This record gives sequence, structure tokens and C-alpha cells, in this order.
Amino acid sequence: KAGVTQTPRYLIKTRGQQVTLSCSPISGHRSVSWYQQTPGQGLQFLFEYFSETQRNKGNFPGRFSGRQFSNSRSEMNVSTLELGDSALYLCASSLNRGQGDGYTFGSGTRLTVV
Amino acid sequence: AQSVSQHNHHVILSEAASLELGCNYSYGGTVNLFWYVQYPGQHLQLLLKYFSGDPLVKGIKGFEAEFIKSKFSFNLRKPSVQWSDTAEYFCAVNNNAGNMLTFGGGTRLMVKP
Repeated sequence: KAGVTQTPRYLIKTRGQQVTLSCSPISGHRSVSWYQQTPGQGLQFLFEYFSETQRNKGNFPGRFSGRQFSNSRSEMNVSTLELGDSALYLCASSLNRGQGDGYTFGSGTRLTVV
Repeated sequence: AQSVSQHNHHVILSEAASLELGCNYSYGGTVNLFWYVQYPGQHLQLLLKYFSGDPLVKGIKGFEAEFIKSKFSFNLRKPSVQWSDTAEYFCAVNNNAGNMLTFGGGTRLMVKP
């Protein structure tokens, strides 16, 4: 079965712009989580969506938002980009929420803010 | 809040050496524990996971980990490493309340041929 697909793979944006990243989970997976990976902060949880509702949110400013569609695909949006938003953004999907389900990660979108 | 510590940031081993990477977490309740590997230029892949039952968990590629509840630890081991094990290894934890993974800072392993 196809894995977790993230688009685009690479993105270069200018400070102040906004960006939308997309994640298509494994078919049948209903939970989608987003993570930011940077050399300095490591892997940090952004948010999780299940059944089109945000279930958990990490400690990120309101410029970071997301949504999930009825087919479980998810998008995350970052507005008013800052240089510090440069990172690898990872999406992970799981069948359901909670114990017993593994998380499968996508290859990520590498965002560079200049 | 839960946190995860990986004490070894960089490890260099020769092929055939034994590996043990430390992972400690802080959370008082029931947790699920994971080890992920990230090969150069590739995405995170699950090595193994612990939810309940036998505290010695076997994963892919000859890796295993032991959950020691009294020590809040979940150390990763491999008896004999190969050059292809060169990668970054991440320990992660989540509690039963949610679907959020908390990751450790990662350990970069370099295996010299």
C-alpha cells in the first residue's frame, strides 16, 4: 500500500509570506499528526487531526494552523513566515488514536525561509 | 508534561561492535514507547515499539529494546552493528491519553567499516 505522501518535497519562501503543506495518509488511516524537525530543537509536535477535528496542539504560535478533510488528507498552513520556521515538516498517520497503533511518517517537506 | 532524554548524542562504533543507546522518559502514567531510525536522506522508520506485555521487545534489523519501568528507561540494543546501521536514532513516548509523540533529541550513530 502507498505510504504517507507529503507535497511538495522542497519549498523556498520569503519572510512574511504564507505556505501550505499537504499530507495524504495511508489509505484507511484516520489520524494525521504534524511535526517540525530542526537541528536545534529536534522533533517537535505541532498538532494532530482525527475525524476532521484538531485533537491535540503543541506549543507553537497561532501562525501555525491546520485542517483535515473528510478523506483524511491534511494540510498545514504557516502564515507570516519567519526565518526560524525553516525546518523539515513531517506528517505521520495512524489507523486510529491511542494505544496499539503505530505511526508511519512521510518523507517530509523541507521549507526554507529566506 | 512528558519528556524524553537520550544521553548519547554521537556514538562511533566499529563494525561488529555491540550497541546500546540510552533512553529515559519522565511520565508517571502508562506510556507507549518507540524507537525510530532515520537513515541519511530518508524518512523516519519504526524500529520497534512497546505497548504492554513482555518488556523485551524485538524489532527489525536485529534491534531490541528493554522497558524497565522502575528506571523509566527503554534502551535500544544490537549485539553486532553493521556499517548500514549508520543513522540517527530517536526514542519517543506517548501516553494513552493522546496521539502525540514526544521525541528525544536523537543519537547519531556512525559505524566504521
